[in-house]
Amino acid sequence: GAVVSQHPSRVICKSGTSVKIECRSLDFQATTMFWYRQFPKQSLMLMATSNEGSKATYEQGVEKDKFLINHASLTLSTLTVTSAHPEDSSFYICSARIYDRASGYTFGSGTRLTVV
Amino acid sequence: KQEVTQIPAALSVPEGENLVLNCSFTDSAIYNLQWFRQDPGKGLTSLLLIQSSQREQTSGRLNASLDKSSGRSTLYIAASQPGDSATYLCAVLDGGSQGNLIFGKGTKLSVKP
Repeated sequence: GAVVSQHPSRVICKSGTSVKIECRSLDFQATTMFWYRQFPKQSLMLMATSNEGSKATYEQGVEKDKFLINHASLTLSTLTVTSAHPEDSSFYICSARIYDRASGYTFGSGTRLTVV
Repeated sequence: KQEVTQIPAALSVPEGENLVLNCSFTDSAIYNLQWFRQDPGKGLTSLLLIQSSQREQTSGRLNASLDKSSGRSTLYIAASQPGDSATYLCAVLDGGSQGNLIFGKGTKLSVKP
């Protein structure tokens, strides 16, 4: 149980275009989801916290207008990378708290974004 | 600010060995600690979750311990197998946070047949 489905797993896009990444909780409701970015050989860096029905909370240094987050339902959060540039190429992973703080977190399978 | 450190950064062992991965954190006021496994190009798979009030958790060949006062956790893998090769990540949930996990950089484990 407690599965988070993330897709696409890989995407290649041209500079200047936008890419949407979806994260769905399959068998539970996730009022809060988290979006991370991972650089090679680095730890996961939290980008933003996505709250169902309200605006996302972004970490310092993350551009809100570039990384648009929408959490329209209890089972779906999306991250849209707008006007992508090669430096946005990275591995993006979403996560959801399973039930409460004591129950741990489950992660999606990640999306490898390459901007050419 | 909470910081999580994992030592060693990389480890290579022959199949069958028992091994220990280390994780330390600077602020002992954590809610819980979670160990994950990450295969190349993949997401994270949760291995063990230890609440702040617990000392250890076990799952199969894995045993994780937590010493909150000293800011340390260890992941013990018994009788290692080539299939255990992956990057192992330690993450803490701060006691006062809204729910953000803070990760270490991971230990890349290679188990050779």
